[in-house]
Amino acid sequence: NAGVTQTPKFRILKIGQSMTLQCAQDMNHNYMYWYRQDPGMGLKLIYYSVGAGITDKGEVPNGYNVSRSTTEDFPLRLELAAPSQTSVYFCASSHEGEDSPLHFGNGTRLTVT
Amino acid sequence: GENVEQHPSTLSVQEGDSAVIKCTYSDSASNYFPWYKQELGKRPQLIIDIRSNVGEKKDQRIAVTLNKTAKHFSLHITETQPEDSAVYFCAASKKTGANNLFFGTGTRLTVIP
Repeated sequence: NAGVTQTPKFRILKIGQSMTLQCAQDMNHNYMYWYRQDPGMGLKLIYYSVGAGITDKGEVPNGYNVSRSTTEDFPLRLELAAPSQTSVYFCASSHEGEDSPLHFGNGTRLTVT
Repeated sequence: GENVEQHPSTLSVQEGDSAVIKCTYSDSASNYFPWYKQELGKRPQLIIDIRSNVGEKKDQRIAVTLNKTAKHFSLHITETQPEDSAVYFCAASKKTGANNLFFGTGTRLTVIP
């Protein structure tokens, strides 16, 4: 049981490039989330999904897109990278229920220069 | 949306002393309040949570208190140990069908041996 797996761990992008951050979970969780964590700040919700085929925006969705074709996978797409997207990105998953604990991946550290 | 404020941003205590971290929230509909611990370079991990129908919860050296009237909740760590050194995040969420947590900005706790 690997939990939540994120790839890559680190990435450097040039302004305007695109990339996909991968996230997979093997706990059969229906709910999945993408957060970003900026230095000295808490985690901000980018997008979330309550099941395959269903996604919704969080607090800071601009500049990102997501898809959820399977229960296991929840990739995050950056189309035109900007320096403001330099951050650490965490994927998380949980069971149904507004008070089910989030299980986080190890994060992806992204730098846009 | 919800706004969660957390204080202090940094906290240093001597080993064996107690540490208290406080959070306030703005949305009176919030009803679930977890605390996450994040060690350097690691993923956030849930350490304790409390629901709005409970005023206090304890788990060994860790306790959380909730005052719904004042909209604040606190984390108490007693008999601190060096391994308690980490960044602690409070969060709040309400019934929306998914666990959409709003995080505080974090408290860096240092336990001095």
